[in-house]
Amino acid sequence: GDSVTQMEGPVTLSEEAFLTINCTYTATGYPSLFWYVQYPGEGLQLLLKATKADDKGSNKGFEATYRKETTSFHLEKGSVQVSDSAVYFCALSSNDYKLSFGAGTTVTVRA
Amino acid sequence: DAGITQSPRYKITETGRQVTLMCHQTWSHSYMFWYRQDLGHGLRLIYYSAAADITDKGEVPDGYVVSRSKTENFPLTLESATRSQTSVYFCASSIQGRRGARDTQYFGPGTRLTVL
Repeated sequence: GDSVTQMEGPVTLSEEAFLTINCTYTATGYPSLFWYVQYPGEGLQLLLKATKADDKGSNKGFEATYRKETTSFHLEKGSVQVSDSAVYFCALSSNDYKLSFGAGTTVTVRA
Repeated sequence: DAGITQSPRYKITETGRQVTLMCHQTWSHSYMFWYRQDLGHGLRLIYYSAAADITDKGEVPDGYVVSRSKTENFPLTLESATRSQTSVYFCASSIQGRRGARDTQYFGPGTRLTVL
């Protein structure tokens, strides 16, 4: 079945540091890939997505590239801010309606 | 306000009691979903619905019941709550449309349920 593996946290960074969260997946066919973010006390929000190989999703300074050859969708941001402190979830959808989530990575950015 | 809302936001109940969590969306999205979030597991799908009166099981449906008589509402009922059902529950919805659009889900703020 479909599955998503993302790097375990927690991750603690200083402001302006570079952030990478690794995500790899197993799926049949050609899944869509997502990063969702959950700020403290809130629900999940879509951060970015990519629907086919080599697509790059980007939003709020975050980027991730759909790499079919390595079955990966790593999240990166060049200079994090305190406001980026959140839990980040990698997810995939290999059919029309179901999302499979990774376990989540907690990121804390210190001033 | 437009969007997806959940109620209550917090609930404490006792083992064996019936509990219903409400979810309401104003977008007329066709698909709706219930997830539970537990440490180390990410989000796991409990039930989903493709349209009014159409529901199906997800990954962890045991102990839960859903109904969807109207497009905008998707209540989740725990018929006899157990301590293992202590969790944060999220409702989500997605539009009917071409592939890619249907994949994106929009989440409510969550309900934190504690079963004593």
